[in-house]
Amino acid sequence: KQEVTQIPAALSVPEGENLVLNCSFTDSAIYNLQWFRQDPGKGLTSLLLIQSSQREQTSGRLNASLDKSSGRSTLYIAASQPGDSATYLCAVESNSGYALNFGKGTSLLVTP
Amino acid sequence: DGGITQSPKYLFRKEGQNVTLSCEQNLNHDAMYWYRQDPGQGLRLIYYSQIVNDFQKGDIAEGYSVSREKKESFPLTVTSAQKNPTAFYLCASSITDGNTIYFGEGSWLTVV
Repeated sequence: KQEVTQIPAALSVPEGENLVLNCSFTDSAIYNLQWFRQDPGKGLTSLLLIQSSQREQTSGRLNASLDKSSGRSTLYIAASQPGDSATYLCAVESNSGYALNFGKGTSLLVTP
Repeated sequence: DGGITQSPKYLFRKEGQNVTLSCEQNLNHDAMYWYRQDPGQGLRLIYYSQIVNDFQKGDIAEGYSVSREKKESFPLTVTSAQKNPTAFYLCASSITDGNTIYFGEGSWLTVV
């Protein structure tokens, strides 16, 4: 069964810093990997989707990379802002699967 | 506006009762999903449906039931057989498997 791990579980940074969130998965036979943002008590918002044939995707200040062979993905957030404070979840769809397997998330706090 | 609507936002259930959570989407998506989220945990798949009149069990289907009679609707019933139903329930949809997945705002279920 695909296991998805996110490190760190929580992170606090001052405004303006660049930061990296990590995601690892145990089965490299994936179809795609997605990064989501979740605000407290809310649903999830999709940030970036990386297909298995891609190495990275970018959207504004966000950049996600994928290294299938090592089972790793990173989410890079440039010039962090207090509004970036949220929980970030990584999810993987395996080739043999039918839906996403989620990590437990990284809780990010950006202080002014 | 297109999106996924979950109702009710908050629901209280007495022990021994069945309750139904509503999920409606107007995105014309074929695939729909139900996830459960417990505090500090990742999302776990309850049921999913790839097409009308078809659905499959996820990782934690015991004590839950679903129907998919219409493309836009995928209600989840939490039965009395679910021994620990207190959680945050999230409905999601995508055009098909492997595409960006969109989530509703979630429903909080509490057993009293």
